[in-house]
Amino acid sequence: SQKIEQNSEALNIQEGKTATLTCNYTNYSPAYLQWYRQDPGRGPVFLLLIRENEKEKRKERLKVTFDTTLKQSLFHITASQPADSATYLCALDTDSGYALNFGKGTSLLVTP
Amino acid sequence: EADIYQTPRYLVIGTGKKITLECSQTMGHDKMYWYQQDPGMELHLIHYSYGVNSTEKGDLSSESTVSRIRTEHFPLTLESARPSHTSQYLCASKTDGGGSYNEQFFGPGTRLTVL
Repeated sequence: SQKIEQNSEALNIQEGKTATLTCNYTNYSPAYLQWYRQDPGRGPVFLLLIRENEKEKRKERLKVTFDTTLKQSLFHITASQPADSATYLCALDTDSGYALNFGKGTSLLVTP
Repeated sequence: EADIYQTPRYLVIGTGKKITLECSQTMGHDKMYWYQQDPGMELHLIHYSYGVNSTEKGDLSSESTVSRIRTEHFPLTLESARPSHTSQYLCASKTDGGGSYNEQFFGPGTRLTVL
């Protein structure tokens, strides 16, 4: 099965800086990779999806890269704001394609 | 805001009780999922459904059961709750249209505590 690794330590950054979160995976190569945001006590909310043939995807202040050679995705939040503080989850399609495998997530704290 | 609902949001119950966690979505999605998540840990898939009358077990073994009699409704049942069932249960759905790349929409979750 797929093993997904995200930064285990919380990421603390100052407002206005760029936050960069890492997602590494092993075993098979997924057809796509997704990023979700999860606030405490809530369900995850979809942010971005990037396909295996795409190098980069952008949405407003968010940018995702996908390097299938390194088996790694980077998630960037530019001009970060305290409201961006949350846990960010990386998710890959399962090898059978019926569901998603999620990483443990990285906690981001943006301080004023 | 996703149109997927879970009730109750919080449940504290004694060992041995039978419980049903409700999940409903108004988006007409065919695929629905149940995940279990402990604090600081990843989501683990415990059940999923491709559509009405379809139910499958996920990667994480679970003593719970599910049913899918209507497209919009995917309840999860524990016949006899135990303290080991204490966890956050998240329901999700996604459309089957446009390929399998569509994102999943999650409900707010049910925090279950079994004493």
